[in-house]
Amino acid sequence: SYDLTQPPSVSVSPGQTATITCSGDELGAKFAYWYQQKSNQSPLLIIYEDNKRPSGIPERFSGSNSANIVTLTITGTQAMDEADYYCQAWHNNALVFGGGTKLTVL
Amino acid sequence: QVQLEESGPGLVKPSETLSLTCSVSSGSITSDYWSWIRQPPGKGLEWIGYISYSGTTDYNPSLKSRSTISLDTSKNQFSLRLSSVTAGDTAVYFCARHTTLTLFGVASAGGMDVWGQGTTVTVSS
Repeated sequence: SYDLTQPPSVSVSPGQTATITCSGDELGAKFAYWYQQKSNQSPLLIIYEDNKRPSGIPERFSGSNSANIVTLTITGTQAMDEADYYCQAWHNNALVFGGGTKLTVL
Repeated sequence: QVQLEESGPGLVKPSETLSLTCSVSSGSITSDYWSWIRQPPGKGLEWIGYISYSGTTDYNPSLKSRSTISLDTSKNQFSLRLSSVTAGDTAVYFCARHTTLTLFGVASAGGMDVWGQGTTVTVSS
């Protein structure tokens, strides 16, 4: 099976930059997607095709894909950004999620 | 704006079949790609499978033998059936719509830009 690996948790101070990574074999050759899930809510697509933001997603969210690691960066993190974040990719026609990263804004 | 709503029994007995429906409003089921995803209590997201506008399906290999996703174009709905359920199938079940990714003229499912609110299914006798 194909695995995407994320750190279980990341902490950041308000106003600082948060970085969440996602690694997987040959991930650089795939498109990556990122979702934000706040407590008791449905996931929200925040980055698609590595680095594109859907309409309505703040500019402080950005994505990149290099080699086997994709990165979600939140610049000027706000308290409202505290949530679980999941990366996602396709592998052999199967959709795979990373295990999720809990972002804490201290 | 497309909206999705899951419906179905909240309680299913072990060994029985879980059946859920996702109703699509303000959009057509005959376009796009549609997925089912689940989230066990306190855990991460798990993709179950998807169906395309043309009825093509793909499933998570770990659930493929027990999963069936189908379209009902007359009702603008798609459905999930998961057979032989156990307590391990207890989860919040979401339906979602995919963006369409077109590469070299070939369309495929991308990320999921519209989600239902989720429905809780408990497997217990």
